[in-house]
Amino acid sequence: EPEVTQTPSHQVTQMGQEVILRCVPISNHLYFYWYRQILGQKVEFLVSFYNNEISEKSEIFDDQFSVERPDGSNFTLKIRSTKLEDSAMYFCASRPDSANYGYTFGSGTRLTVV
Amino acid sequence: QKEVEQDPGPLSVPEGAIVSLNCTYSNSAFQYFMWYRQYSRKGPELLMYTYSSGNKEDGRFTAQVDKSSKYISLFIRDSQPSDSATYLCAMSAYNQGGKLIFGQGTELSVKP
Repeated sequence: EPEVTQTPSHQVTQMGQEVILRCVPISNHLYFYWYRQILGQKVEFLVSFYNNEISEKSEIFDDQFSVERPDGSNFTLKIRSTKLEDSAMYFCASRPDSANYGYTFGSGTRLTVV
Repeated sequence: QKEVEQDPGPLSVPEGAIVSLNCTYSNSAFQYFMWYRQYSRKGPELLMYTYSSGNKEDGRFTAQVDKSSKYISLFIRDSQPSDSATYLCAMSAYNQGGKLIFGQGTELSVKP
């Protein structure tokens, strides 16, 4: 069964450093997302991406965050200057088309900011 | 009022029991309703996906949506220890570009 692949599975970074979280969505999917889950809390929407541009972003997704799909297969989330409160599980997700809400999520990257 | 509310549990049942998991919501624009299963420190795994009101069955799982009451349910028949996980409801409105709004998740434990 096709999978959404995320790397790394765990990243530890110092406060103020830049991190890039990587995702390979399912190849024929058109819509891409990043969500995050702080330990013990809800899964929260960060950003949606379609047709090579951001279609929607949440209040969390401020100027410190950016997304890119540089080569037609990878989908990255960059945090420019990490803060302690950015520590969370980050999930990439994709879905096939506008009529299908059957998202597939990746296994996540656990980001720890120290 | 929170957009999506879900009792976090924990819920503990004996093996073979029927499990009922529920969510309520406030946004009448929601039309797509999903149930995900999440194991500890893993990504959500899609179990059931329904559009608008009605029932959907898949093996031991049945999803129900009652839009008039803004209430959705997931039933698990003949529950197994392997069903022990956190169950997340999620929903989306067509005009939200596919953004999912999640409930808190209900932690389920099925005891042998």
